[in-house]
Formats: sequence, structure tokens, C-alpha cells
Amino acid sequence: SQQGEEDPQALSIQEGENATMNCSYKTSINNLQWYRQNSGRGLVHLILIRSNEREKHSGRLRVTLDTSKKSSSLLITASRAADTASYFCATDRRNQGGKLIFGQGTELSVKP
Amino acid sequence: DVKVTQSSRYLVKRTGEKVFLECVQDMDHENMFWYRQDPGLGLRLIYFSYDVKMKEKGDIPEGYSVSREKKERFSLILESASTNQTSMYLCASNLWQGGSGQPQHFGDGTRLSIL
Repeated sequence: SQQGEEDPQALSIQEGENATMNCSYKTSINNLQWYRQNSGRGLVHLILIRSNEREKHSGRLRVTLDTSKKSSSLLITASRAADTASYFCATDRRNQGGKLIFGQGTELSVKP
Repeated sequence: DVKVTQSSRYLVKRTGEKVFLECVQDMDHENMFWYRQDPGLGLRLIYFSYDVKMKEKGDIPEGYSVSREKKERFSLILESASTNQTSMYLCASNLWQGGSGQPQHFGDGTRLSIL
């Protein structure tokens, strides 16, 4: 079953601009995670936000979580060409031992 | 740094063959996962293992089996490969801590083509 759904599916911006990606989900969660995938590679964990947190920062990344709306956003500030990648949100499955449900991802292209 | 190593980056096999995909992690993680990734479908969980010799079916286990004889190694087996199993296969691992909240660490994937 599809849990996390990212929006937009694709995003193209210029270097230096901010990039915002959104994720919606359907059921209650313990936490939500964001991952990045460079073309042809595995996923890399970026940030985890727990259900009792509203906002979290890590370097140029800012993640928000609104459990009442079942949505999260990932903001990348001052984007660089090296940020070009696909970004996925993933929600845990309650009482299912750490398994995650991944969305289909947002493909971000940052043009120099 | 955690390292998850998948034995092959690219693999080409024929229909009907038995195919083995190997994954090794070096951080003593209890949990290991196999996913397949297809355009438009995202990552889908095939199988999950939370301990040696323990396994659970994921969302799409049909046509696959797994083996975990040692903690660091998790193998995915395609019993009789079919063309609809052409895909990118990703292995991941994480710690078991109360059941959730631990990042998963991924290998670089195996792009498998079944001809």
C-alpha cells in the first residue's frame, strides 16, 4: 500500500534557489525519514523527524512535520548542482519492527 | 561508517535460471531488508530479516526467497527468474532499537536484467 506520496514528482531550479518537496501519508506514524538517491546509486539517509517534533534542521536541510495534516516538507536552502538527485520520504509502519514505506520520490534538478 | 555491500552492480540472467543476490553489512545490524525499485512504483519491500535464520515476507514476496545464515549476510534468491523480475534491487540494514526510528543504510543496488 502506498503511504508516503511526494509532490512534486519533478522539480527544476537554478543554483542558489531554495527547493521545497512535500510528502503526504495516510496512517499514524512514529517517525518520518527523508532519503536522497543519486542516479544509479543506493539511498542515503538525510534526516529523521519523530511524530512529537514539528521541525528539524540539519545543515541546509529543514524538515517540518504536521501530523494533523499527515504531511511533511523538506526544504533545501541555497541549492547546489550537487543536490541534483531523487528525494524520498519514508514512514515507519507502527508495530512492524522498523519497516518503512517509501514514497515514489521527487526528482530534483539543480542547474548551474 | 556503515557499509552495505551488494555483490554485483549489474547482472544479466536468462528466464528460468536460479539467481542469487548477495548483501553484506559490516555494522552488526540486526535488521536487513531487500527492496526492488521500479520507475513509477518507488521502493517495494520484498523480504525482511530481523535476526539470523528469521525472515518475514514484505509486500511482494512472490517469486523470491531469502536466506540469512549469518548476521552480516542476507541473500535474495529468485527461484526461477522471469522477465518481470528485471529491476533494480536494493539491500538495506539497520539497528533494532525498540522497533523503529533507526535509519536504514543502503547498498548501491544491483541492476538485474532477465532476458
